[in-house]
Amino acid sequence: EPEVTQTPSHQVTQMGQEVILRCVPISNHLYFYWYRQILGQKVEFLVSFYNNEISEKSEIFDDQFSVERPDGSNFTLKIRSTKLEDSAMYFCASSEARGSGNTIYFGEGSWLTVV
Amino acid sequence: GQNIDQPTEMTATEGAIVQINCTYQTSGFNGLFWYQQHAGEAPTFLSYNVLDGLEEKGRFSSFLSRSKGYSYLLLKELQMKDSASYLCAVRGPLNDYKLSFGAGTTVTVRA
Repeated sequence: EPEVTQTPSHQVTQMGQEVILRCVPISNHLYFYWYRQILGQKVEFLVSFYNNEISEKSEIFDDQFSVERPDGSNFTLKIRSTKLEDSAMYFCASSEARGSGNTIYFGEGSWLTVV
Repeated sequence: GQNIDQPTEMTATEGAIVQINCTYQTSGFNGLFWYQQHAGEAPTFLSYNVLDGLEEKGRFSSFLSRSKGYSYLLLKELQMKDSASYLCAVRGPLNDYKLSFGAGTTVTVRA
């Protein structure tokens, strides 16, 4: 079964450093997402991406965050200058289309620890 | 915005049935999803409802009442591997396709 893959699975970084999280969405999917989950809290939407541009973003997705589709398969989330409160599990997700019934499939997550 | 409520924890015995309720108040509605999440892992899709009624998928069923802003996930013949967090997620108004998640219900299955 096709799946969303993410790298790295774990990353520890110092506060103020830049981090890039990488994702390979399911190959025929057109819509890509980043969500995050702080330990013990709910899954929160960050950003959605379609046709090489951001289609929606949340309040969390401020100027420190950016997304990019550098080639035909990868989708990346960059955090420019990490803060302690950025420590979380970051999930990449994708869906075939945007219609109401289209399921969003999640990757295994990248666990980011900022120290 | 979206406000999604579900119980924090539930405990049940192996072989039994458990019903996890979810109520939502949203500025628009375009479908409700249930996901299973084991600790430290990704949410995995279980079910989807957009019309009122019951959707059955093997041991799992999900029900929706749009007029009441209410859904439940029914897990039958519980197995130890069903111990996990169950996330209720609502898709927003017509032009808003992101999912908004509840805090999740942790189900513990005991022998």
